Amino acid sequence: GQNIDQPTEMTATEGAIVQINCTYQTSGFNGLFWYQQHAGEAPTFLSYNVLDGLEEKGRFSSFLSRSKGYSYLLLKELQMKDSASYLCAVMDSNYQLIWGAGTKLIIKP
Amino acid sequence: GAVVSQHPSWVICKSGTSVKIECRSLDFQATTMFWYRQFPKQSLMLMATSNEGSKATYEQGVEKDKFLINHASLTLSTLTVTSAHPEDSSFYICSARGLTGDLYEQYFGPGTRLTVT
Repeated sequence: GQNIDQPTEMTATEGAIVQINCTYQTSGFNGLFWYQQHAGEAPTFLSYNVLDGLEEKGRFSSFLSRSKGYSYLLLKELQMKDSASYLCAVMDSNYQLIWGAGTKLIIKP
Repeated sequence: GAVVSQHPSWVICKSGTSVKIECRSLDFQATTMFWYRQFPKQSLMLMATSNEGSKATYEQGVEKDKFLINHASLTLSTLTVTSAHPEDSSFYICSARGLTGDLYEQYFGPGTRLTVT
């Protein structure tokens, strides 16, 4: 079957760095997405990785290792507004997104 | 990124009535649109996938006669919740996918919060 695993909840301190991991097993691979979702709102796109390596975009970076079925989202200089759920999703061979359950990130002052 | 609109953003209806939710891709042609449902503190649950001009493909456990999907054009899809019941109260989110170069990009609408009384 298809499976996306990510931690349920993480806590970090304002100004610090946090890494949210995601492991996946899917039928085919056409890229991995990270989305941010604030409570009561729809997800917003953060990043897309299809090749191995690190993609940096401002305070957020995303890493992919296809051989290991592994990705992480790295958030630097954490701000209170970064408190949200972070969803990992993999696009399978049918170009369908398979979703993880999301990681709730709590930022403390 | 691309813009996907959804209307209404929230709706309250009485049990037994029907509610229509519209999803539009405003600045790109969406070859495929997805409808998700999300209950509080849970992840997104895919309800159905629709391609323009063809019948929607429903996920297991989703009643196609209750959740009617019409993908009339490359920029518009509608979800109609028929004979709504309180257990249908949820956050409904549409997502539109289009091809940009070699990349399938998928963007979400802002969601519709449905409350059935």
